[in-house]
Amino acid sequence: EVQLVESGGGLVKPGGSLRLSCAASGFTFSSYSMNWVRQAPGKGLEWVSSISSSSSYIYYADSVKGRFTISRDNAKNSLYLQMNSLRAEDTAVYYCARASGAAAGDNWFDPWGQGTLVTVSS
Amino acid sequence: SYVLTQPPSVSVAPGKTARITCGGNNIGSKSVHWYQQKPGQAPVLVIYYDSDRPSGIPERFSGSNSGNTATLTISRVEAGDEADYYCQVWDSSSDHQVFGGGTKLTVL
Repeated sequence: EVQLVESGGGLVKPGGSLRLSCAASGFTFSSYSMNWVRQAPGKGLEWVSSISSSSSYIYYADSVKGRFTISRDNAKNSLYLQMNSLRAEDTAVYYCARASGAAAGDNWFDPWGQGTLVTVSS
Repeated sequence: SYVLTQPPSVSVAPGKTARITCGGNNIGSKSVHWYQQKPGQAPVLVIYYDSDRPSGIPERFSGSNSGNTATLTISRVEAGDEADYYCQVWDSSSDHQVFGGGTKLTVL
């Protein structure tokens, strides 16, 4: 069974940092690009970042570029999101999602993890 | 940046047909994907490549895409279809994934 399990969420003060992890199982992790998508409370889905299967291509939403860093470890079947300089508006459930292909581009997302909540508040 | 526009809400009676639109400039030239999200749950892919259905998704779900509008159609709507629905495309000009604002489907 294909499974994605996020961890690392929690409460952090504005300006602080947090590192999210996504553990993948049930498929050949190194063959797929991966993504982070977030959802603020009561709001819609917002794409955050994508990384290709070999980490050669990385893309960020304008709202997080320069503050967030996506990475992956294919040997550990894991995806990461390092979040620095956090703001109140970064408060959201963060989902990791597998893309449909190896390239981080024209893909659909399936499946999604259950999400991890990040709360930025003083 | 590329913008996808969805109606905030759509209401339909059980057994009828629901149509949820996703508008974007020349969206017909892009591949559109649709997700269903029920309260407290992660999104689930229901349509990819405009009109293809993943395994396990009922045939009642279909999609189309032409011109400036993509449409998710749900036939013979059931109470269990009540959810938020999101469209998504890849914008190659900005190298960004883009989601529509979402549509809340209410089954009357």
